[in-house]
Amino acid sequence: DTGVSQDPRHKITKRGQNVTFRCDPISEHNRLYWYRQTLGQGPEFLTYFQNEAQLEKSRLLSDRFSAERPKGSFSTLEIQRTEQGDSAMYLCASSLGAPTPEAFFGQGTRLTVV
Amino acid sequence: TQLLEQSPQFLSIQEGENLTVYCNSSSVFSSLQWYRQEPGEGPVLLVTVVTGGEVKKLKRLTFQFGDARKDSSLHITAAQPGDTGLYLCAGRSGYSTLTFGKGTMLLVSP
Repeated sequence: DTGVSQDPRHKITKRGQNVTFRCDPISEHNRLYWYRQTLGQGPEFLTYFQNEAQLEKSRLLSDRFSAERPKGSFSTLEIQRTEQGDSAMYLCASSLGAPTPEAFFGQGTRLTVV
Repeated sequence: TQLLEQSPQFLSIQEGENLTVYCNSSSVFSSLQWYRQEPGEGPVLLVTVVTGGEVKKLKRLTFQFGDARKDSSLHITAAQPGDTGLYLCAGRSGYSTLTFGKGTMLLVSP
């Protein structure tokens, strides 16, 4: 297994368009997280799945954002009607459950909204 | 809301110098993780500390978790240009998700 994989690495889109990102976690990890990181900041939590269940969502996650993990394996994050403020690095991480909840991150998807 | 404060925000040093960066909170964490992130890449996990007072070493890097599990430090001995990057601490309380600090940007010049 080569770790957490994210696709695409970079995405440039026009304001108002929809975008979808994919994350493939480490295969035996049942937990999957999405974070957003802007320049000069640490990653901010967006949402979290345990298997296929979405257990927690941040207040940062407006109704334009939706995430799925249909079979408890890969996950997608969709942003509808993108805004310039959505420009950021979107990071996916995965982990086992307790007692070893170490999270391993993918390389991220850099979104630029023009 | 659990907040993690990292200091300093930015550190520029010469190769061979020693340095310490700090991660502080008013909250107690069940575990704390340190990551290093390079520009355009995702964070890479360096270490996890779980016991108050715990010290872990990773080559020239020494990590310490405070006795009260509210703070942590990272000490680098004889820094090298390859140590350049953004150092992030992240705390977890119980089964909750990770809360990150804003990071310390380290630049090591030859």
